[in-house]
Order: sequence, then C-alpha cells, then structure tokens
Amino acid sequence: AQSVTQLGSHVSVSEGALVLLRCNYSSSVPPYLFWYVQYPNQGLQLLLKYTTGATLVKGINGFEAEFKKSETSFHLTKPSAHMSDAAEYFCAVRKAAGNKLTFGGGTRVLVKP
Amino acid sequence: NAGVTQTPKFRILKIGQSMTLQCAQDMNHNYMYWYRQDPGMGLKLIYYSVGAGITDKGEVPNGYNVSRSTTEDFPLRLELAAPSQTSVYFCASSTGTLVEKLFFGSGTQLSVL
Repeated sequence: AQSVTQLGSHVSVSEGALVLLRCNYSSSVPPYLFWYVQYPNQGLQLLLKYTTGATLVKGINGFEAEFKKSETSFHLTKPSAHMSDAAEYFCAVRKAAGNKLTFGGGTRVLVKP
Repeated sequence: NAGVTQTPKFRILKIGQSMTLQCAQDMNHNYMYWYRQDPGMGLKLIYYSVGAGITDKGEVPNGYNVSRSTTEDFPLRLELAAPSQTSVYFCASSTGTLVEKLFFGSGTQLSVL
C-alpha cells in the first residue's frame, strides 16, 4: 500500500521568506507524485507533478519540488512567499500503473505581512 | 467551459435522511471520483468510475452509493445519513491517462445533525 505523510499541519511564514513544505511517501513501486493547492472555498488545483525524468520539477506560481528517491521525499519550496500563497497544500502519490491518488493530510500555510 | 460542477454547495441533513450529491463534468473525461475531506485527514476516496456503467469502491465507501449512467454525471447517494458523514465532499474528473491531473469541483459542505 502507498501512503503520504506531510510534516506539519500548519506553517507560518513571513512575506518574502522561503516556503518549505515537507512530504514523505511510501510506495512499493516507482511512484508518481503531485502537489495540489486549495484556496479557501475552492476545489484543489494541480501545482506540479513528478512522473519520470528530471527530479526537480517546476510548477505554477513559482513553486518547485524535488523528488529524492533515497529519502522517499518530495518537498515543495518557493523562494519568496507572497500573500496570495496562503492556502492549504496537499501532497499526493499514485502508483505508476494505478488510477487512484492517495493524499496526505495537508499543510495550511499562513503568510504574515 | 464549466469544468466540474457540484450541487448543492451546502446542505444540512437530519440523521437518517437521504440525499444525492450531484456532480457533472463537460470535459468528456472517462474517470470520475468522489472524495471526502475532513480536517487534518486530507482527502479520502469514496468511490470512483473509469467510464459509464463502471464503478468501484475507494478507501471509505461505507454508507454511500454511486451510479454512472452517462459519461458526464456521477451522483453520490447517502441513504441513511449519520453524523460521521459530516464532511466536505469533492467530485473530480480526469482523462484517465497515467500522467493526468484531477479537475476538482468546488465542493459540497454537508452537515448531519
């Protein structure tokens, strides 16, 4: 079975500071990994995804994530937080041959002026 | 393009009542999903469908039923509502290829009292 663990249910950052959201996964087969963002009162939107190839993946709104197989991690970063980044972020994993996503518990980001 | 449309947005049910959450997509996606979102728990898959006439259970199917008579529609039925079903429900769809993203509706907030 595959699972996803997001460390920290809440993260507070100052505007302009680094955003780092941690995600570790377990999977018995090579995984596909995703980060989704949920703004208040909205459904989830895809930020970025890793399938194969380059391990550093760039997404929308300046976010990027690096797949590290040895650490079973897929942490999300953004060099400089903006007020509009306040949202909840979900890491998700799927088997390469599967059709279902397993989501982590989510990390809510608060951006302070 | 409307994308994925969910109705209603909010609903309060009494214990034992029944209701159907509606979900429709206009992107001709084969795959459709129902998730529930509880605070700190991420999203849990209730049911999914890989095409009209085909449905399968997810992680938490108990207390729910689905049908998929058309490509566009994927309603979720609660037969005997219980307080444990108080949650936010999201419908999603995808093309079904291995690297696709999920398109989410804006959710239905359900309270069972």
